[in-house]
Amino acid sequence: GAVVSQHPSRVICKSGTSVKIECRSLDFQATTMFWYRQFPKQSLMLMATSNEGSKATYEQGVEKDKFLINHASLTLSTLTVTSAHPEDSSFYICSAPLEIETQYFGPGTRLLVL
Amino acid sequence: GEDVEQSLFLSVREGDSSVINCTYTDSSSTYLYWYKQEPGAGLQLLTYIFSNMDMKQDQRLTVLLNKKDKHLSLRIADTQTGDSAIYFCAESSSGGYNKLIFGAGTRLAVHP
Repeated sequence: GAVVSQHPSRVICKSGTSVKIECRSLDFQATTMFWYRQFPKQSLMLMATSNEGSKATYEQGVEKDKFLINHASLTLSTLTVTSAHPEDSSFYICSAPLEIETQYFGPGTRLLVL
Repeated sequence: GEDVEQSLFLSVREGDSSVINCTYTDSSSTYLYWYKQEPGAGLQLLTYIFSNMDMKQDQRLTVLLNKKDKHLSLRIADTQTGDSAIYFCAESSSGGYNKLIFGAGTRLAVHP
Protein backbone atom coordinates (compact mmCIF):
# COMPACT_ATOMS: atom_id res chain seq x y z
CA GLY A 1 0.00 0.00 0.00
CA ALA A 2 0.87 3.66 -0.19
CA VAL A 3 3.48 4.85 2.25
CA VAL A 4 3.40 8.53 1.30
CA SER A 5 0.25 10.56 0.71
CA GLN A 6 -0.34 14.00 -0.79
CA HIS A 7 -3.25 16.39 -0.57
CA PRO A 8 -4.86 17.70 -2.63
CA SER A 9 -4.43 15.51 -5.68
CA ARG A 10 -5.54 18.29 -7.98
CA VAL A 11 -5.99 22.03 -7.49
CA ILE A 12 -7.03 24.89 -9.72
CA CYS A 13 -6.41 28.41 -8.53
CA LYS A 14 -6.43 31.96 -9.81
CA SER A 15 -3.24 33.79 -10.62
CA GLY A 16 -1.91 35.66 -7.59
CA THR A 17 -3.31 33.32 -4.96
CA SER A 18 -1.35 30.90 -2.77
CA VAL A 19 -1.73 27.16 -2.73
CA LYS A 20 -0.66 24.74 -0.01
CA ILE A 21 0.23 21.11 -0.76
CA GLU A 22 0.62 18.58 2.02
CA CYS A 23 2.88 15.55 2.03
CA ARG A 24 2.47 12.92 4.75
CA SER A 25 4.42 9.83 5.60
CA LEU A 26 2.08 7.03 6.61
CA ASP A 27 3.03 4.91 9.63
CA PHE A 28 6.63 6.03 9.66
CA GLN A 29 8.58 9.11 10.62
CA ALA A 30 10.40 11.14 8.02
CA THR A 31 12.91 13.70 9.22
CA THR A 32 13.68 14.40 5.57
CA MET A 33 11.27 14.75 2.68
CA PHE A 34 11.88 15.85 -0.88
CA TRP A 35 9.81 18.02 -3.20
CA TYR A 36 10.07 17.42 -6.93
CA ARG A 37 8.45 19.12 -9.86
CA GLN A 38 7.53 17.45 -13.13
CA PHE A 39 6.54 19.28 -16.29
CA PRO A 40 4.42 17.45 -18.88
CA LYS A 41 6.30 14.63 -20.56
CA GLN A 42 9.46 15.54 -18.71
CA SER A 43 11.48 14.12 -15.89
CA LEU A 44 11.40 15.01 -12.23
CA MET A 45 13.55 17.82 -10.95
CA LEU A 46 14.31 18.23 -7.29
CA MET A 47 13.12 21.57 -5.93
CA ALA A 48 14.09 21.33 -2.29
CA THR A 49 14.85 19.08 0.62
CA SER A 50 12.54 19.50 3.59
CA ASN A 51 14.14 18.98 6.99
CA GLU A 52 12.17 18.54 10.20
CA GLY A 53 13.23 21.13 12.72
CA SER A 54 15.34 23.21 10.38
CA LYS A 55 15.15 25.23 7.20
CA ALA A 56 14.60 23.59 3.86
CA THR A 57 17.48 23.30 1.42
CA TYR A 58 16.62 24.64 -2.01
CA GLU A 59 18.15 23.61 -5.31
CA GLN A 60 19.82 26.22 -7.43
CA GLY A 61 17.32 28.33 -9.32
CA VAL A 62 14.37 27.59 -7.02
CA GLU A 63 12.99 30.70 -5.31
CA LYS A 64 12.66 29.98 -1.62
CA ASP A 65 10.33 32.93 -1.06
CA LYS A 66 7.98 31.64 -3.72
CA PHE A 67 8.01 28.00 -2.73
CA LEU A 68 7.70 27.95 1.03
CA ILE A 69 8.41 24.66 2.73
CA ASN A 70 7.49 23.82 6.30
CA HIS A 71 8.30 20.49 7.88
CA ALA A 72 5.79 20.81 10.69
CA SER A 73 6.17 17.37 12.21
CA LEU A 74 7.91 14.06 11.68
CA THR A 75 5.12 12.97 9.33
CA LEU A 76 4.15 16.18 7.54
CA SER A 77 5.81 18.56 5.12
CA THR A 78 3.96 21.33 3.30
CA LEU A 79 4.82 23.19 0.13
CA THR A 80 3.13 26.55 -0.36
CA VAL A 81 3.26 28.12 -3.79
CA THR A 82 2.88 31.82 -3.11
CA SER A 83 1.47 34.32 -5.59
CA ALA A 84 1.00 31.57 -8.12
CA HIS A 85 1.33 32.31 -11.83
CA PRO A 86 0.40 30.19 -14.85
CA GLU A 87 4.03 29.14 -15.30
CA ASP A 88 3.84 27.48 -11.87
CA SER A 89 1.31 25.02 -13.28
CA SER A 90 2.94 21.63 -12.94
CA PHE A 91 2.86 18.25 -11.23
CA TYR A 92 4.38 18.42 -7.75
CA ILE A 93 5.52 15.18 -6.16
CA CYS A 94 6.98 14.61 -2.72
CA SER A 95 9.02 11.70 -1.49
CA ALA A 96 10.37 10.35 1.77
CA PRO A 97 13.04 7.79 2.57
CA LEU A 98 11.66 4.75 4.38
CA GLU A 99 14.83 2.72 4.44
CA ILE A 100 18.34 3.96 3.95
CA GLU A 101 18.37 2.76 0.37
CA THR A 102 15.13 4.08 -1.09
CA GLN A 103 12.69 6.94 -1.48
CA TYR A 104 8.97 6.39 -1.74
CA PHE A 105 6.90 8.87 -3.67
CA GLY A 106 3.49 10.34 -3.08
CA PRO A 107 0.80 10.24 -5.77
CA GLY A 108 1.48 13.82 -6.80
CA THR A 109 -0.50 17.06 -6.92
CA ARG A 110 -1.47 18.61 -10.21
CA LEU A 111 -1.58 22.39 -9.97
CA LEU A 112 -3.27 24.50 -12.61
CA VAL A 113 -3.00 28.26 -12.28
CA LEU A 114 -5.45 30.24 -14.37
CA GLY B 1 27.85 17.20 -13.63
CA GLU B 2 25.43 14.41 -12.90
CA ASP B 3 23.41 13.20 -15.85
CA VAL B 4 21.15 10.24 -16.52
CA GLU B 5 20.04 9.35 -20.03
CA GLN B 6 17.41 7.01 -21.36
CA SER B 7 15.85 6.27 -24.70
CA LEU B 8 12.44 7.91 -24.85
CA PHE B 9 10.23 5.24 -26.33
CA LEU B 10 9.97 1.45 -26.57
CA SER B 11 7.24 -0.59 -28.20
CA VAL B 12 6.91 -4.33 -27.61
CA ARG B 13 4.43 -7.08 -28.31
CA GLU B 14 2.52 -8.58 -25.42
CA GLY B 15 4.34 -11.64 -24.09
CA ASP B 16 7.76 -10.54 -25.34
CA SER B 17 10.55 -9.26 -23.13
CA SER B 18 11.21 -5.53 -22.78
CA VAL B 19 14.63 -4.10 -22.18
CA ILE B 20 14.93 -0.49 -21.08
CA ASN B 21 18.40 1.02 -21.02
CA CYS B 22 19.94 3.82 -19.03
CA THR B 23 23.36 5.42 -18.82
CA TYR B 24 24.68 7.68 -16.09
CA THR B 25 27.74 9.81 -15.64
CA ASP B 26 28.27 10.08 -11.90
CA SER B 27 30.97 7.62 -10.94
CA SER B 28 30.07 8.06 -7.27
CA SER B 29 26.57 6.66 -7.80
CA THR B 30 25.99 4.02 -5.18
CA TYR B 31 22.33 3.23 -5.72
CA LEU B 32 20.49 2.96 -9.01
CA TYR B 33 16.71 2.77 -9.22
CA TRP B 34 13.90 1.95 -11.55
CA TYR B 35 10.56 3.67 -10.99
CA LYS B 36 7.31 3.22 -12.89
CA GLN B 37 4.84 6.03 -13.50
CA GLU B 38 1.36 5.48 -14.85
CA PRO B 39 -0.61 8.41 -16.33
CA GLY B 40 -1.45 11.07 -13.76
CA ALA B 41 0.10 9.10 -10.92
CA GLY B 42 3.15 9.29 -8.71
CA LEU B 43 6.20 7.08 -8.98
CA GLN B 44 6.18 3.46 -7.95
CA LEU B 45 9.51 1.99 -6.90
CA LEU B 46 10.06 -1.16 -8.92
CA THR B 47 13.53 -2.17 -7.86
CA TYR B 48 16.97 -0.85 -7.07
CA ILE B 49 20.50 -2.13 -7.19
CA PHE B 50 23.56 -1.32 -5.14
CA SER B 51 26.64 -0.41 -7.12
CA ASN B 52 28.66 -3.41 -6.00
CA MET B 53 26.14 -5.76 -7.62
CA ASP B 54 26.02 -6.83 -11.26
CA MET B 55 22.52 -8.22 -11.35
CA LYS B 56 19.35 -8.33 -9.37
CA GLN B 57 16.26 -10.36 -10.17
CA ASP B 58 12.80 -9.90 -8.74
CA GLN B 59 10.05 -12.00 -10.32
CA ARG B 60 9.64 -10.71 -13.90
CA LEU B 61 12.19 -7.94 -13.43
CA THR B 62 15.92 -8.29 -14.00
CA VAL B 63 18.31 -5.41 -13.46
CA LEU B 64 21.78 -5.52 -14.98
CA LEU B 65 24.50 -3.07 -13.99
CA ASN B 66 27.73 -2.52 -15.89
CA LYS B 67 29.57 -0.19 -13.61
CA LYS B 68 32.56 0.14 -15.93
CA ASP B 69 30.37 1.47 -18.73
CA LYS B 70 27.93 3.18 -16.33
CA HIS B 71 25.10 1.32 -17.97
CA LEU B 72 21.93 0.07 -16.29
CA SER B 73 19.15 -1.97 -17.84
CA LEU B 74 15.75 -3.22 -16.79
CA ARG B 75 14.38 -6.34 -18.40
CA ILE B 76 10.69 -7.14 -18.02
CA ALA B 77 9.89 -10.72 -18.92
CA ASP B 78 6.52 -11.70 -20.43
CA THR B 79 5.48 -8.07 -20.85
CA GLN B 80 1.79 -7.41 -20.27
CA THR B 81 -0.47 -4.52 -21.26
CA GLY B 82 -0.49 -3.46 -17.62
CA ASP B 83 3.23 -2.80 -17.93
CA SER B 84 2.53 0.11 -20.28
CA ALA B 85 3.86 3.17 -18.44
CA ILE B 86 6.84 5.48 -18.22
CA TYR B 87 9.91 3.98 -16.62
CA PHE B 88 12.42 6.25 -14.92
CA CYS B 89 16.00 5.40 -14.17
CA ALA B 90 17.48 7.31 -11.23
CA GLU B 91 20.74 7.40 -9.34
CA SER B 92 21.84 8.54 -5.93
CA SER B 93 25.29 8.95 -4.47
CA SER B 94 24.17 7.92 -1.02
CA GLY B 95 20.81 6.22 -1.06
CA GLY B 96 17.36 7.35 -0.05
CA TYR B 97 18.42 10.25 2.16
CA ASN B 98 19.99 12.09 -0.73
CA LYS B 99 18.45 13.56 -3.86
CA LEU B 100 17.73 11.33 -6.80
CA ILE B 101 18.84 12.31 -10.28
CA PHE B 102 16.32 11.10 -12.82
CA GLY B 103 16.52 10.27 -16.48
CA ALA B 104 13.91 11.63 -18.86
CA GLY B 105 11.88 8.44 -18.71
CA THR B 106 11.17 5.71 -21.27
CA ARG B 107 7.61 5.32 -22.43
CA LEU B 108 6.84 1.61 -22.82
CA ALA B 109 3.94 0.75 -25.10
CA VAL B 110 2.73 -2.85 -25.09
CA HIS B 111 0.58 -3.92 -28.03
CA PRO B 112 -1.32 -7.16 -28.69
